[in-house]
Amino acid sequence: TQLLEQSPQFLSIQEGENLTVYCNSSSVFSSLQWYRQEPGEGPVLLVTVVTGGEVKKLKRLTFQFGDARKDSSLHITAAQPGDTGLYLCAGPNTNAGKSTFGDGTTLTVKP
Amino acid sequence: DAGVIQSPRHEVTEMGQEVTLRCKPISGHNSLFWYRQTMMRGLELLIYFNNNVPIDDSGMPEDRFSAKMPNASFSTLKIQPSEPRDSAVYFCASRPGAGEQYFGPGTRLTVT
Repeated sequence: TQLLEQSPQFLSIQEGENLTVYCNSSSVFSSLQWYRQEPGEGPVLLVTVVTGGEVKKLKRLTFQFGDARKDSSLHITAAQPGDTGLYLCAGPNTNAGKSTFGDGTTLTVKP
Repeated sequence: DAGVIQSPRHEVTEMGQEVTLRCKPISGHNSLFWYRQTMMRGLELLIYFNNNVPIDDSGMPEDRFSAKMPNASFSTLKIQPSEPRDSAVYFCASRPGAGEQYFGPGTRLTVT
C-alpha cells in the first residue's frame, strides 16, 4: 500500500510569514499533485509535479518534487489570509486507477 | 466548462431514510470517483468508475451504500437506510485518462 504522510498536521501563522509543508512516502510515485481545499468547497488542484527534482512556482507558492520521487514540499512566501485552507497531496497508485491522498495540512494565516 | 456538478449541496435527513447524491462529471472525463470526508478519517475513496464501469468498490463501507453510473454524464451514490454515522461531506471527482482529478463542491449530509 502506498501511503502519503503530510506534516505538519496543523499550522497557524501570521500574515507575511513564510512556511513549508511536507508530503512524504516510502514509495515512489510517478507524479504528485497538490490541492487546496477551502472551507465548504471541494479540493482544487494547484499543481502536478512529475520529474524528480522538479520545482514549480505558482506566484508565492513553490512546489518541489524530491529527486527520488518519494516526497514533495510546498513553500509559501509571505503568506496571506487567502492562503488559509487544507493542503492535500496525492499521487497515483501503481497499477491502479485510483490515487492515494495524504491527510492534509490545515493552514491558518491570521491577519 | 462548468466543472463537476453535485447535487444537492446540503442534505438533512432522518435516520432510516434513503439518501441519493448526484454527480455530473466534466464532459470527456472517463473516470469518476466518490469520496467521503470527515474530520476523523479525512478523505476516503468509496468507489470509482472507469468508462461507466465500477472498478474498485472496496471503500464502500457496507451494503447500505450503492453507486451507479448509467452513462458518461451521470452518477449516483445512494445510502439506504441512512444512519447518523453517515454524516459527512461527500465529493465526486472526475478525471481525464490518467491525469489529475477534478473535484465537485461536495454534498454535506447530515443524518439526525
